[in-house]
Amino acid sequence: GQQLNQSPQSMFIQEGEDVSMNCTSSSIFNTWLWYKQDPGEGPVLLIALYKAGELTSNGRLTAQFGITRKDSFLNISASIPSDVGIYFCAGSNTGNQFYFGTGTSLTVIP
Amino acid sequence: DGGITQSPKYLFRKEGQNVTLSCEQNLNHDAMYWYRQDPGQGLRLIYYSQIVNDFQKGDIAEGYSVSREKKESFPLTVTSAQKNPTAFYLCATATALSTDTQYFGPGTRLTVL
Repeated sequence: GQQLNQSPQSMFIQEGEDVSMNCTSSSIFNTWLWYKQDPGEGPVLLIALYKAGELTSNGRLTAQFGITRKDSFLNISASIPSDVGIYFCAGSNTGNQFYFGTGTSLTVIP
Repeated sequence: DGGITQSPKYLFRKEGQNVTLSCEQNLNHDAMYWYRQDPGQGLRLIYYSQIVNDFQKGDIAEGYSVSREKKESFPLTVTSAQKNPTAFYLCATATALSTDTQYFGPGTRLTVL
């Protein structure tokens, strides 16, 4: 099975700053998902993307489905301490078999 | 209180023993999944089930077994054949019409001594 490459691997930012992270794959996907995971907990779905070029927001979070269908991007505006966690991307073509990225660890410094 | 329950939260076993991880859901979701998470890696699919009495292997099924006798339950057995069983195990569910939206349980951390 393949894994997706996420970058950066980790980020340390000041509260209030904007955050950008991305996810790339060698294969194209029909669906991209973004999850947030707190330590010792299961991931929580943030945003789902279904169409190339699609831009979707969820509060301060905005994600984009890359035009090539091989990448996706997540932006967080005006970060707050509770944004701390690990952010995972996931891609799928079948709707059952998802391939997950390696994660971006976000630390927000108050 | 609706949701996905995984128990126990922490599990310790001796090497060579089989161990069964529980996953129960009352969301009335048709599909259920088991993932394994290792430090610094993304989630990897072990098994999934779209309906009762049917399940499919994921990418890393070797050394694991599952059953789906009831819609609400999808237990995972980690057998002695699994060479590196220590990991964080996550169960997820989804509706039949929206399998791309998976909801995760809180996870079980298995440590094999």
